[in-house]
Amino acid sequence: DTGVSQDPRHKITKRGQNVTFRCDPISEHNRLYWYRQTLGQGPEFLTYFQNEAQLEKSRLLSDRFSAERPKGSFSTLEIQRTEQGDSAMYLCASTQPSSVADTQYFGPGTRLTVL
Amino acid sequence: DQQVKQNSPSLSVQEGRISILNCDYTNSMFDYFLWYKKYPAEGPTFLISISSIKDKNEDGRFTVFLNKSAKHLSLHIVPSQPGDSAVYFCAASENSNYQLIWGAGTKLIIKP
Repeated sequence: DTGVSQDPRHKITKRGQNVTFRCDPISEHNRLYWYRQTLGQGPEFLTYFQNEAQLEKSRLLSDRFSAERPKGSFSTLEIQRTEQGDSAMYLCASTQPSSVADTQYFGPGTRLTVL
Repeated sequence: DQQVKQNSPSLSVQEGRISILNCDYTNSMFDYFLWYKKYPAEGPTFLISISSIKDKNEDGRFTVFLNKSAKHLSLHIVPSQPGDSAVYFCAASENSNYQLIWGAGTKLIIKP
């Protein structure tokens, strides 16, 4: 296992379409996070899973966004009815179970462009 | 309201010299701080961290200093190498909350 992977790396879509991204965390990590990053800014927290339970959601996660982690392994992030403001890099991260605090390991991200 | 601020968008340093990247925070409840490095087209990579019970943590060429009274931390890289050219992010968290709050990043350029 070489790290956190994300698919696709790039996604171009038209406004109003739905998109889904996938994240595969490091295999022994039970915590998984989604972030959004726009140009010139640091990542912004979206949501967090511990195993299959979604424990926290940011107010940034509008009702058009939904995330799942059905078996406590990979996770998906779906954006419905995409808007141009959704264009960003979507990052996934995971942490080890014994981690006291958040040394999170990141995937390469999915860059979304909404036309 | 930005709780974590990196006021220098970019920094240029001569190879072999010391690079000092700064970060300020406003939330006194933060008790864990991290630095990440990011290359283009890659996700952030963890570099070094520090708990609020310490004021210094060192790992090879990288040292992080924490001044709780000033709500300020800094990352020192000595000596700076060309491969250190990247964007550096400061992040912070409260122990009971797994959310990381990030600064906007500082682009470090190491000149040969």
